[in-house]
Amino acid sequence: DAGVTQSPTHLIKTRGQQVTLRCSPKSGHDTVSWYQQALGQGPQFIFQYYEEEERQRGNFPDRFSGHQFPNYSSELNVNALLLGDSALYLCASSFGQVRYEKLFFGSGTQLSVL
Amino acid sequence: AQSVTQPDIHITVSEGASLELRCNYSYGATPYLFWYVQSPGQGLQLLLKYFSGDTLVQGIKGFEAEFKRSQSSFNLRKPSVHWSDAAEYFCAVGARDNYGQNFVFGPGTRLSVLP
Repeated sequence: DAGVTQSPTHLIKTRGQQVTLRCSPKSGHDTVSWYQQALGQGPQFIFQYYEEEERQRGNFPDRFSGHQFPNYSSELNVNALLLGDSALYLCASSFGQVRYEKLFFGSGTQLSVL
Repeated sequence: AQSVTQPDIHITVSEGASLELRCNYSYGATPYLFWYVQSPGQGLQLLLKYFSGDTLVQGIKGFEAEFKRSQSSFNLRKPSVHWSDAAEYFCAVGARDNYGQNFVFGPGTRLSVLP
């Protein structure tokens, strides 16, 4: 049973570019949340997708957008990249929108913006 | 809004020694509390959680944590540390009615273990 998988593992971009990160949830899960973990910080909630809609959003600008597909996989898009967007981006999945203890995290995508 | 502080950025202990990682939270009601561990190149793994009931909770890998309402603390402990425990540890607090934006992580404590 595959857990949460994220791709790519590492990514290097330059300022102003756009990036797309991908996440496949754990089998049986239908909710995907994205987190940004800057160096030396704890993860910060970006947004959550359930039934192909953004259900909740953290304190992130509109440059951060996402999508959820019918198979529950999800994408995180970041436009007009800034140096400060360099971080580990974590995807977490669950069944349904609540039940914290059922939240499973992927290994993340390390994004470096030069 | 809830918040979490972890006063220790980095802790070093010898293998076999006891461990206590501190966590303090701010929340208006009784929160859900969690400890996660993150090894290099790995995602976050749930160690233990507190929802209600017994304030001393047991987790995986021999870890335990104690919820102290009067001190707004949820410290993580282990009686004897193993070299494989070296990792980053995150305390998190969640609102009882939801998660997502209401699920907040602390800044983390990096644990180093000396042989």
